[in-house]
Amino acid sequence: QVQLVQSGAEMKKPGASVTVSCKATGYTFDRYGFSWVRQAPGQGLEWMGWISADNGNRNYAQKFKGRVSMTTDSSTTTAYMELSGLRSDDTAVYYCAREQLGGIPMDFWGPGTLVTVSS
Amino acid sequence: QSDLTQPPSASGTPGQSVTISCSGSRSNIGNNVVNWYQQLPGAAPKVLIYSNNQRPSGVSDRFSGSKSGTSASLAISGLRSEDEADYFCSAWHDSLNGYVFGSGTRVTVL
Repeated sequence: QVQLVQSGAEMKKPGASVTVSCKATGYTFDRYGFSWVRQAPGQGLEWMGWISADNGNRNYAQKFKGRVSMTTDSSTTTAYMELSGLRSDDTAVYYCAREQLGGIPMDFWGPGTLVTVSS
Repeated sequence: QSDLTQPPSASGTPGQSVTISCSGSRSNIGNNVVNWYQQLPGAAPKVLIYSNNQRPSGVSDRFSGSKSGTSASLAISGLRSEDEADYFCSAWHDSLNGYVFGSGTRVTVL
């Protein structure tokens, strides 16, 4: 069965960078891509961008361009999301979600990774 | 402030029906399909409805979606206690070139 397992909670200082990983199993990795979505405490969902696991094509939300980098590693079937220049308002749970263009959008989600930014 | 507008809350007694609205613009709902996600307390979101009115395998037929113009709706019939959750609508936004989400609606079963 499809599973997305994310890395553990992180605590970072303002200005630092964080990398969240998302290990995918149970399906053919490069037939799908990944969307990354975050949720600040008590808030709604915010889409950060998408990456294809097939050809590496990326589409970042305008708000995060210049600060976010998404990559995939087919040898380990893992997706990564790096966010730099962290601020306190980046404190959120970060989710990876499987995505297939033209298919069911964000059909499987990881459990989420809490990133806390505090001095 | 979200691009898609949802009521913050909705409620009903067991067995009743509840409808959640999602209002957008031509750039998002008007030109693109709408998807709905359910987020149970403490859990990750799960897709409930995609392409306006399609249910993924395993999703109860008590959930149904519709779209008209720049608005969409999610209906829950035969309300159950396990339906208590946050519900988010989502659509592609043409000028932003990305997905946008609604602010979410918390459904309470009285």
